[in-house]
Amino acid sequence: EAGVTQSPTHLIKTRGQQATLRCSPISGHTSVYWYQQALGLGLQFLLWYDEGEERNRGNFPPRFSGRQFPNYSSELNVNALELEDSALYLCASSLNFYGYTFGSGTRLTVV
Amino acid sequence: DQQVKQNSPSLSVQEGRISILNCDYTNSMFDYFLWYKKYPAEGPTFLISISSIKDKNEDGRFTVFLNKSAKHLSLHIVPSQPGDSAVYFCAASAVTGGGNKLTFGTGTQLKVEL
Repeated sequence: EAGVTQSPTHLIKTRGQQATLRCSPISGHTSVYWYQQALGLGLQFLLWYDEGEERNRGNFPPRFSGRQFPNYSSELNVNALELEDSALYLCASSLNFYGYTFGSGTRLTVV
Repeated sequence: DQQVKQNSPSLSVQEGRISILNCDYTNSMFDYFLWYKKYPAEGPTFLISISSIKDKNEDGRFTVFLNKSAKHLSLHIVPSQPGDSAVYFCAASAVTGGGNKLTFGTGTQLKVEL
């Protein structure tokens, strides 16, 4: 069974640009979660999508947005990139409330 | 507001000894707790979990203890092995309240030395 896949692995953008990160969940998983791991800050919850809808949102500005497609894959978009957006962005999927399976992440660097 | 706290950013133990990683939480609605392990350049992987109806859960070398009155949980690794060197994240969820979001701590870097 394929795990959660994320692309690209690395992304370098200039301040002010937009970044698009992609995630494919485990087959059969309908929920997708996005987390940001910035240096020294642990895993900060960004967004939760389930059945194509945004179900919950973390304490991030509106320039962080995303969507979930009919095949349950998901995109995270970050507009007007700032230097402090540099982080590892992790996607996870789950079937139920009892834990997630994470992808390997996308390392976003804003210069 | 950090609802899940791991106050030790790093821990170093000798191979064969016990590793004890600690985690505190403040939200009394949390009723399900998990530990994840993360190697560099990889996503976190699930290690062990515990429901609030239990105070201990064991899986091989890994045991998680939950003290609800103190809002404290700990992960014991016995015996510690060099391959256990990784960052360990504690996470919590309010399952009964309908929450599906996991709240993570900041992680503890475990180094197991030969």
